[in-house]
Parts: sequence; structure tokens; C-alpha cells
Amino acid sequence: DSGVTQTPKHLITATGQRVTLRCSPRSGDLSVYWYQQSLDQGLQFLIQYYNGEERAKGNILERFSAQQFPDLHSELNLSSLELGDSALYFCASGGTGAKEQFFGPGTRLTVL
Amino acid sequence: QQQVKQSPQSLIVQKGGISIINCAYENTAFDYFPWYQQFPGKGPALLIAIRPDVSEKKEGRFTISFNKSAKQFSLHIMDSQPGDSATYFCAASNPGGGNKLTFGTGTQLKVEL
Repeated sequence: DSGVTQTPKHLITATGQRVTLRCSPRSGDLSVYWYQQSLDQGLQFLIQYYNGEERAKGNILERFSAQQFPDLHSELNLSSLELGDSALYFCASGGTGAKEQFFGPGTRLTVL
Repeated sequence: QQQVKQSPQSLIVQKGGISIINCAYENTAFDYFPWYQQFPGKGPALLIAIRPDVSEKKEGRFTISFNKSAKQFSLHIMDSQPGDSATYFCAASNPGGGNKLTFGTGTQLKVEL
């Protein structure tokens, strides 16, 4: 158990809908990273937050957004969903000045 | 330049054998190279990691070999066990990128009895 929690575990929704994925980092970690894992793209970095501020951005679609709250949990919002958004979404957390990232169990999103 | 190339795509090893997975990178700004193990339905788990100032790191049956001049690194799993059957990902990060991880494409390892 990495100490990172993600909810929900599974999410099934329809095209055009909007969903919110939630992540709670390990106790004491200020950084949250979001990654998408799909069969064709592999594991891809989406976005990073550090202590409430956006720190780095990857190839995240404009339809996707994220935020980190004062209690350090983070939410990834996916809107106008398309079939191609079906994937596993992982968050990872890391400590200040530390390189190590610890991944949560993921949310499997299925868009029908 | 941000790519990390991983090979082989799949690997079958006999129980007790050595599993070797290779990765190569181009971005010389990368300064941290972790390996992750992922079981079906689970998140990637950090296995072992190395910095470029070290040529080898060993933790139990897992060893990373690092060749800075060739920009290559590899994972060796000694005495491979059926429980090691999983997908392994190499990755790299650089401080200029917020320490985001750039992953290889993964290697599916199967250890047969």
C-alpha cells in the first residue's frame, strides 16, 4: 500500500459527460502528479500540483483540468468526454525535494 | 528528446534465471531513473531507482546498471520467481520538468516454473 488513495476505483459514463477523479496524497507529501495510462499511449504525465499551485503541465487536453485543495487532496476534472478518454488515471505523490513518486491504485474510466 | 525507449516488449524467463530489461534515453538533463513494477489492476509500485553519478545499485534481487556515456540503463532481476511476473516500466525525470516522470513503454515479464 503506497499510502496514496484514489476514488472512485471504477467509473463508467457516456460521451459528452463530465467526471471528477479524486486523489489524496501520502501524509506529508505536498506534490501530486496525475498520469494517464492507455494501451496506445502508455503512461503519460498530465499535470503536477505542489502545495496548491500548478507546477508542471504535460500533454493535458484543454477539456481536462485539475486543482489541489488546502488539505492537499487533488481533483482531476474531465469534461466533454470522448471514447478515447477511456483509460486508467493514476495520481502519484511526492515529498518536498524528493524525487520518488508513489502511485495510487488508479481510477479506471470507461466512456461508452 | 523526452523519450525513454524500453526493450524488450515482452520477456519469458525460467524460474531461477536472470531477467534483463533495457532502457535508453536522449535527454542529458534527466537526473533520476526509477523502475516501477505493475501488476494487473494495480498502480505502478516503485521498485528501485538510481542517480547518474552511480553506475550500479542493488536492492535484494534487483540491480540497476547505469551507463551514463551510452545513455542507457537496465534492470536485472536475479533468481527470477513466478511472483515477479508483472509489467516493468523504466522512467526518467529532470528537475527542469518539475520532476515529472517520462516512462518507457513497459516490458511484460513472465517467469515460468
